[in-house]
Amino acid sequence: GQQVMQIPQYQHVQEGEDFTTYCNSSTTLSNIQWYKQRPGGHPVFLIQLVKSGEVKKQKRLTFQFGEAKKNSSLHITATQTTDVGTYFCAGGANNLFFGTGTRLTVIP
Amino acid sequence: KAGVTQTPRYLIKTRGQQVTLSCSPISGHRSVSWYQQTPGQGLQFLFEYFSETQRNKGNFPGRFSGRQFSNSRSEMNVSTLELGDSALYLCASSPRLTGSTDTQYFGPGTRLTVL
Repeated sequence: GQQVMQIPQYQHVQEGEDFTTYCNSSTTLSNIQWYKQRPGGHPVFLIQLVKSGEVKKQKRLTFQFGEAKKNSSLHITATQTTDVGTYFCAGGANNLFFGTGTRLTVIP
Repeated sequence: KAGVTQTPRYLIKTRGQQVTLSCSPISGHRSVSWYQQTPGQGLQFLFEYFSETQRNKGNFPGRFSGRQFSNSRSEMNVSTLELGDSALYLCASSPRLTGSTDTQYFGPGTRLTVL
């Protein structure tokens, strides 16, 4: 069956450092979505990428969809304590498969 | 618009019991999906309902079932509870404009503990 893996599983960074999480799917995706879940909260939609090689930015966050539409990345520049949480990618054909998530800790 | 609401927020049950969770989607959203979130297995898709019909189903045993009403509200039922069913159960609604992989708008979840 389809699998969506993310690496790393955990990441601790000093405030101000950059952070990147990578998402890899076992199958080609029609689109990829990214969600953020704060500690104790629920996943919140961040962005959707549809086109091969697409790059989108939201302030300090940069999202990229791979050329083969099987991988994606999220890069955060100059992390802040408000970036703490778990970042999930999600994609699929008939239903969304969520990645394993990357839990980001930002050390002030 | 009001967000997705789920009741109850917390629930404690014992093994063998059954439980029903409720979800009210965002007004106008006709698709409701249910997910189970655990530290070990992550966020796993249970099933999706659209227009009162189950459209997709994840890889969970038949003890997990659901339904959707004509007002799009949905319920999820778990029978014969097992310890491993302890989890955060998340409901998500979507307008389902482009299909079953539309953006998911999650509710706060129901934290189920099975003792």
